[in-house]
Amino acid sequence: GIQVEQSPPDLILQEGANSTLRCNFSDSVNNLQWFHQNPWGQLINLFYIPSGTKQNGRLSATTVATERYSLLYISSSQTTDSGVYFCAVGYNFNKFYFGSGTKLNVKP
Amino acid sequence: EAQVTQNPRYLITVTGKKLTVTCSQNMNHEYMSWYRQDPGLGLRQIYYSMNVEVTDKGDVPEGYKVSRKEKRNFPLILESPSPNQTSLYFCASSLKGTGLTYEQYFGPGTRLTVT
Repeated sequence: GIQVEQSPPDLILQEGANSTLRCNFSDSVNNLQWFHQNPWGQLINLFYIPSGTKQNGRLSATTVATERYSLLYISSSQTTDSGVYFCAVGYNFNKFYFGSGTKLNVKP
Repeated sequence: EAQVTQNPRYLITVTGKKLTVTCSQNMNHEYMSWYRQDPGLGLRQIYYSMNVEVTDKGDVPEGYKVSRKEKRNFPLILESPSPNQTSLYFCASSLKGTGLTYEQYFGPGTRLTVT
C-alpha cells in the first residue's frame, strides 16, 4: 500500500504563531485530503487537494503531486486549532491511507 | 442537512456477542468506507464500497463483515467481537470520481469497547 508520513509528530505553538505541517506519500495519488480531529474526536474536512494550492481563511494547503508531498500552513494560530491533523491519500477510489497525524497544541 | 450518521455512538459489549454498527448517508454518495482509529496508528481502512453490492477489503478486514444493499446504508458487522477490536470506528462517504470535489465526509464515530 501507499506509505504516508506526516511531520512533525508533535508541535507546540504559542497563540499567534505560524506553522507548516508536511505529508509525504510513497506513490502516485489522485485524491488527497487534510483533516482536523478536534479534542472531541470529530473529523473535520479542511482541504480536498490532490494538486495545486487552496486557501481558506488562516489555513492554506499546497500539494505537489509529482514530488509526492503536501503542506498545510496554519497562520496566526488560535487555541481552537489544537488537535490532530491528518493527511489521507488514495488512488482511483480504491483504498485510502492515512498518516499517523501531527498533534498540535496551541497555548494561550 | 447533508450528513453521515452512525449508531450507536458508544457501545460496550462482551467477547463473542455479535453486533452491528449502522452507517447512513443522505448525500447520494456512491463510495462508502469504514475505518478504525487506534492510538498512534492514525486511521486504517477496514472495508470500502464503490457502489451497491460492490464491496472490497481495506487494510484491516479480519474479523469484520459489511454489506451494501442500499446506496445510503453501509453497516459494519462484528460476528464474534474480541478485545483487540476495541477501537474508535468511523464511517465515511463521498462521490466517486476524479475532479474538483470528491472528498470524503466522516460520521461522528462509534467508540466500541469489547470486554
